Amino acid sequence: KNQVEQSPQSLIILEGKNCTLQCNYTVSPFSNLRWYKQDTGRGPVSLTIMTFSENTKSNGRYTATLDADTKQSSLHITASQLSDSASYICVVSAAAAGNKLTFGGGTRVLVKP
Amino acid sequence: DGGITQSPKYLFRKEGQNVTLSCEQNLNHDAMYWYRQDPGQGLRLIYYSQIVNDFQKGDIAEGYSVSREKKESFPLTVTSAQKNPTAFYLCASSIWGRGTRNEQFFGPGTRLTVL
Repeated sequence: KNQVEQSPQSLIILEGKNCTLQCNYTVSPFSNLRWYKQDTGRGPVSLTIMTFSENTKSNGRYTATLDADTKQSSLHITASQLSDSASYICVVSAAAAGNKLTFGGGTRVLVKP
Repeated sequence: DGGITQSPKYLFRKEGQNVTLSCEQNLNHDAMYWYRQDPGQGLRLIYYSQIVNDFQKGDIAEGYSVSREKKESFPLTVTSAQKNPTAFYLCASSIWGRGTRNEQFFGPGTRLTVL
């Protein structure tokens, strides 16, 4: 069964600090992995996408890594800002049936001043 | 929110009533999707449509129905048969195909509460 597990479920960090979110998956055959940011009460917005051959991708202060051998990904937030407070969702696409998506449960990040 | 609109933003329903959630996109995408989001859980696929007048059940289709009469529109009806309909509903659209970068763009969501 395809699964995506994220950790931690939630975390609190002080403004200006860095943090790293983890994502482990068992989706097969693998097509791509995305990280989405979801503000409370809003729809998710894509931050990064990585395919099998890509092991790092940056989008401003967000840097995602992918280890396709161990089926792990991480999202690193640098110099956090209050606007980074949101849920971060790891989504893995299977290379079949129109790229069906498997969603992780998300990590809720709260940045405090 | 990427050219996808959902309405209403908040919806209250009495038990036993059917309600319809609206989803419209102007991205010229062939594929559209409906997801349900519950606290602490990953999004779960309800229905999806690859093309007009065609749609497929997702993982949790029971108690829901959809139609796809126009490319731009994919309304979702939550019927009285849905046992626990209180949730946040998200609509998405994408290019359909086997491309590895077919991103799904999400609408702002509708929060449904059953009273």
